[in-house]
Amino acid sequence: ETGVTQTPRHLVMGMTNKKSLKCEQHLGHNAMYWYKQSAKKPLELMFVYSLEERVENNSVPSRFSPECPNSSHLFLHLHTLQPEDSALYLCASSQEASGGWETQYFGPGTRLLVL
Amino acid sequence: GNSVTQMEGPVTLSEEAFLTINCTYTATGYPSLFWYVQYPGEGLQLLLKATKADDKGSNKGFEATYRKETTSFHLEKGSVQVSDSAVYFCALNAGNNRKLIWGLGTSLAVNP
Repeated sequence: ETGVTQTPRHLVMGMTNKKSLKCEQHLGHNAMYWYKQSAKKPLELMFVYSLEERVENNSVPSRFSPECPNSSHLFLHLHTLQPEDSALYLCASSQEASGGWETQYFGPGTRLLVL
Repeated sequence: GNSVTQMEGPVTLSEEAFLTINCTYTATGYPSLFWYVQYPGEGLQLLLKATKADDKGSNKGFEATYRKETTSFHLEKGSVQVSDSAVYFCALNAGNNRKLIWGLGTSLAVNP
């Protein structure tokens, strides 16, 4: 596997379900991101992890819970979601260097439908 | 605040036509500017970037020049191909941080 992979690619869940999205990066990067992509809206940054520590949490509802067990893996745990949470969820990674900001590399996304 | 405005799509062109997708920005300081592309069913890929005024980013026949005087970073390609059909996103990073400010994306369809 190369680059950034995400599983599952598609997910349908009811509002009472609990599910998790998985992201794995094979690039040796030290920062990982979750984004939400909805139609007609700009890409929304949800969470950022740097060196496995959460460094940004952009007012995301608590029904989304991230986990970063190591620098290569990132999870997004979902519970009691709402239909408006239906979207494409993108994972990205980058290599952070002191004094600089590096290019983010994206996975293919998980298409989530909440019924 | 910082923002990015892209021309609305969809843009439909014939193969070998000239492409321009407009992008203008509002930012404090001296942002870095990016174009990302999203092919159907895939994640976003960095297409090109420019980090200071008058820089020209280029890749795969696409070009964009960082124009500080007009706060623009328009994407151009001289001769598009069917394989260029995708959604193109303009973005900026306004400081030494991890947050990108994104445009809404412009869908491009190229017909043979």
